[in-house]
Amino acid sequence: DGGITQSPKYLFRKEGQNVTLSCEQNLNHDAMYWYRQDPGQGLRLIYYSQIVNDFQKGDIAEGYSVSREKKESFPLTVTSAQKNPTAFYLCASSQGQAGNQPQHFGDGTRLSIL
Amino acid sequence: QKEVEQNSGPLSVPEGAIASLNCTYSDRGSQSFFWYRQYSGKSPELIMFIYSNGDKEDGRFTAQLNKASQYVSLLIRDSQPSDSATYLCAVYSSASKIIFGSGTRLSIRP
Repeated sequence: DGGITQSPKYLFRKEGQNVTLSCEQNLNHDAMYWYRQDPGQGLRLIYYSQIVNDFQKGDIAEGYSVSREKKESFPLTVTSAQKNPTAFYLCASSQGQAGNQPQHFGDGTRLSIL
Repeated sequence: QKEVEQNSGPLSVPEGAIASLNCTYSDRGSQSFFWYRQYSGKSPELIMFIYSNGDKEDGRFTAQLNKASQYVSLLIRDSQPSDSATYLCAVYSSASKIIFGSGTRLSIRP
């Protein structure tokens, strides 16, 4: 079955530590996205990538980094510079590079501070 | 003014009735419009998308788009308890980015 796989489901970060969230898709989608969702809030865009080896900052990129070395994979690193990382992180993908297609989401990763 | 606005709710609707969810947007050049359902603790799930003015129906769901008035709505007919969730409106703007509203919490009462 095609879909988007995020791992791990739960992640705990110690102060000063970088952590990496995995996102893999087998939908053959060109575009991939990372969002952050805080309780009772909508989705805020962290980074997006429309093509391999290229990515763009979203609205809240500070303290995060990404890579897009393969079409299927778009990992997100939450660095120690992100002082308030506790949130629900969602990865999404969509067909085409234009960005106007429906996005499909993975099951998410919940990140908390130890 | 927020770029995409939704009433946070909760919107309480009796089982079997029609639930009406509304969303307004500020960018007149917006092109594509999406509705997602999100159960508590889960990820968003695409319900409907609409690109042209008018109505689009899929089962119990109808999306309505009025570009002149800059609103998009989602109607859910014969509401079921399983429809209780938060509904997110998303808009693809003329700045080539998708913007999500904060969501409307819908509660279907038996």
